[in-house]
Amino acid sequence: GAGVSQSPSNKVTEKGKDVELRCDPISGHTALYWYRQSLGQGLEFLIYFQGNSAPDKSGLPSDRFSAERTGGSVSTLTIQRTQQEDSAVYLCASSLRVSGGGEQFFGPGTRLTVL
Amino acid sequence: GDSVTQMEGPVTLSEEAFLTINCTYTATGYPSLFWYVQYPGEGLQLLLKATKADDKGSNKGFEATYRKETTSFHLEKGSVQVSDSAVYFCALSVRDNYGQNFVFGPGTRLSVLP
Repeated sequence: GAGVSQSPSNKVTEKGKDVELRCDPISGHTALYWYRQSLGQGLEFLIYFQGNSAPDKSGLPSDRFSAERTGGSVSTLTIQRTQQEDSAVYLCASSLRVSGGGEQFFGPGTRLTVL
Repeated sequence: GDSVTQMEGPVTLSEEAFLTINCTYTATGYPSLFWYVQYPGEGLQLLLKATKADDKGSNKGFEATYRKETTSFHLEKGSVQVSDSAVYFCALSVRDNYGQNFVFGPGTRLSVLP
């Protein structure tokens, strides 16, 4: 498909387990973004990549969160030792490049539930 | 820090009513401003944007004007339709010391009744 895809679409895990969320951006998009959308909250910006590089990781909620991107394409967001407050929809977006006025194209999200 | 404030929802209107969703922002630099929309069961998509002061973004009958003096980017539509029922997010993008910062508002749910 031509859009941003994310997998899995739903993930239920037990507290303390690690999870990996995957994002496939639109082909040719060099910029990739991760957001978190908690119930009743707006989108919380987590991190962005320009190519394989993430200039600013300060938006990640804690050191249990990490993200990487390889080959300028697929990205994974890893949450270690999950907690109940990590339950949310994790959204990925991509754009041609990181720029102030550029449109971001969003994926359908991964709904994470931590029991 | 950078922030976006938008009116609390939900907003319920009758078809053909006039819509305004207020959005104000705080930014350390000179931001670009956006409205994104999320229709039921779909992902977020860009509705309109403005990248400099006094620019007007428009799409699908919606409009918003970048007002630097009031730090606002209110969304308006003259006559809403049932198909406009969705959640609307005001957002900004601004350059900071680390690169680029992206901030979204909490979203405003709009329901349009026939």
